[in-house]
Amino acid sequence: EAGVTQFPSHSVIEKGQTVTLRCDPISGHDNLYWYRRVMGKEIKFLLHFVKESKQDESGMPNNRFLAERTGGTYSTLKVQPAELEDSGVYFCASSPGFVYEQYFGPGTRLTVT
Amino acid sequence: GIQVEQSPPDLILQEGANSTLRCNFSDSVNNLQWFHQNPWGQLINLFYIPSGTKQNGRLSATTVATERYSLLYISSSQTTDSGVYFCAVELTVGGADGLTFGKGTHLIIQP
Repeated sequence: EAGVTQFPSHSVIEKGQTVTLRCDPISGHDNLYWYRRVMGKEIKFLLHFVKESKQDESGMPNNRFLAERTGGTYSTLKVQPAELEDSGVYFCASSPGFVYEQYFGPGTRLTVT
Repeated sequence: GIQVEQSPPDLILQEGANSTLRCNFSDSVNNLQWFHQNPWGQLINLFYIPSGTKQNGRLSATTVATERYSLLYISSSQTTDSGVYFCAVELTVGGADGLTFGKGTHLIIQP
């Protein structure tokens, strides 16, 4: 069974540009989560989908971040326009249900210069 | 929000030694997971353990939910055990849906 996959593994962009990160959850997992770890900080929750519906986006830092999950399969996280403080590692996780074990992808390392 | 504290922050041991990592949390939780972040940055699931005791090879974990702590035991350490160990919890009631992570314990196993 394939695990959670994320693309790209690394992205280097300039301040003001747009970047889109993609996450493919484990097949059959309705719950999908985004997290990020910025320099020197803990891993922080961003938002949670159940199928295509956003359940909780309380962790989204501001309106420059937009997450979607079309058709309840893969998810994208767009940052527009990117700022220097957005640099970090963005993780995606999935689980078969709420309050089940979450499985994490390898992360996307985003560098904004 | 919920507080998750891990100790010690850093730990250096010789190969073959045993270690205990601790995770304290400030509220009732219905999900607790231990992860190992390997040198490539990947979060590897070790245990899903909101309560009770589990063992997997040289690793075991115990969560005492009523006292709000969890312990991760590593026996006969190997150099491949090096990395950062994270504890993460999810609240029983209220708070965000996602996991709240501790700052981690950085473990170095020397040959």
